[in-house]
Amino acid sequence: GAGVSQSPRYKVAKRGQDVALRCDPISGHVSLFWYQQALGQGPEFLTYFQNEAQLDKSGLPSDRFFAERPEGSVSTLKIQRTQQEDSAVYLCASSLRTGFEAFFGQGTRLTVV
Amino acid sequence: AQSVTQPDIHITVSEGASLELRCNYSYGATPYLFWYVQSPGQGLQLLLKYFSGDTLVQGIKGFEAEFKRSQSSFNLRKPSVHWSDAAEYFCAVGESRELTFGKGTLLTVNP
Repeated sequence: GAGVSQSPRYKVAKRGQDVALRCDPISGHVSLFWYQQALGQGPEFLTYFQNEAQLDKSGLPSDRFFAERPEGSVSTLKIQRTQQEDSAVYLCASSLRTGFEAFFGQGTRLTVV
Repeated sequence: AQSVTQPDIHITVSEGASLELRCNYSYGATPYLFWYVQSPGQGLQLLLKYFSGDTLVQGIKGFEAEFKRSQSSFNLRKPSVHWSDAAEYFCAVGESRELTFGKGTLLTVNP
């Protein structure tokens, strides 16, 4: 597609439920990033992939968060046993390769009730 | 560790007035610096970036920013603001991988 696509755009989950957020990067982009943006805050880095390899997951807030990119294209961010503090917008970004401009998707707004 | 400070949480300007949004960074090496804009419900759009060279950088939508190493600043400017510029603006610093963002400055434009 023309840009980074994320789905769903909105997700409401009951506390304790598992959720999966999808990111379709720009075709051919090697690097893929996930960020978490809490209300009124700037985005914060979660994890980074180069092709299918997850090279940095230092920003994942707990072991309930898991990300994968098995074929080096589409990526999924999974949150297990969601908590209220997980409520945020989750942004995905891709770039041609490291050091190049990152393009962001519109994000998935997760609300945990 | 790298960090970004945007001192102004909210700025209000009149349409047609000039604008300057402040950004200060802390970074151990020569930084890559970025300004992004985010409209409600939208993702982040890159306005401009500085990697090296000329310290005055031109971006899209009439924005420019100046890198001042001595002040660790990368302030965003626009000579005449349009109502459509109302949005949240984020300054970010990074190298080859992830970006570190400031908390953002919300811009309101009065008619």
